[in-house]
Amino acid sequence: QQPVQSPQAVILREGEDAVINCSSSKALYSVHWYRQKHGEAPVFLMILLKGGEQKGHDKISASFNEKKQQSSLYLTASQLSYSGTYFCGTSDGSSNTGKLIFGQGTTLQVKP
Amino acid sequence: NAGVTQTPKFRVLKTGQSMTLLCAQDMNHEYMYWYRQDPGMGLRLIHYSVGEGTTAKGEVPDGYNVSRLKKQNFLLGLESAAPSQTSVYFCASSYGDHYEQYFGPGTRLTVT
Repeated sequence: QQPVQSPQAVILREGEDAVINCSSSKALYSVHWYRQKHGEAPVFLMILLKGGEQKGHDKISASFNEKKQQSSLYLTASQLSYSGTYFCGTSDGSSNTGKLIFGQGTTLQVKP
Repeated sequence: NAGVTQTPKFRVLKTGQSMTLLCAQDMNHEYMYWYRQDPGMGLRLIHYSVGEGTTAKGEVPDGYNVSRLKKQNFLLGLESAAPSQTSVYFCASSYGDHYEQYFGPGTRLTVT
């Protein structure tokens, strides 16, 4: 039931764009995105909710296709600070507990 | 406003020893979570709490116990540590369902 993220890793040059995908085998109510730098805690980026509501980072965009049970995170004009591991966390909305199931992560490296 | 804090930051245990990890948050959040993070596995939920005095099992609860006697604190206990419990442990809290989770800095535990 763990969502599957793709790609597993990506290397970019500064200014290039990247897309990170998150797919689930279950119907989803919300998808959360977090970024974690090496040796640090995950940091919230954004939440996408069923019905189209989004909350979060104003410089990062994402989409949520409820029918396909997929979400994508779009990193445009990447900066060195975007390097890190990106995790999606998913909820089916059934438990009212805030529980998330996280994907295995996508490692992004941005080079000068 | 310290956010989410965890103690200790590092710990080495011998097989069979016990210990307690402390998580504290000062944001008046109802929901709190304990995760473990292993290489290539993402974040896996151990136990969680939706309010003072309540706890519930997550994905990987075996070998761990928790308590939430005060709203601001969430304790994770290992009664008899095993090498398989070597991991980085993160605590998180959130305001409610479908809100962002705030993570603590993590505890690196090694069991020899």
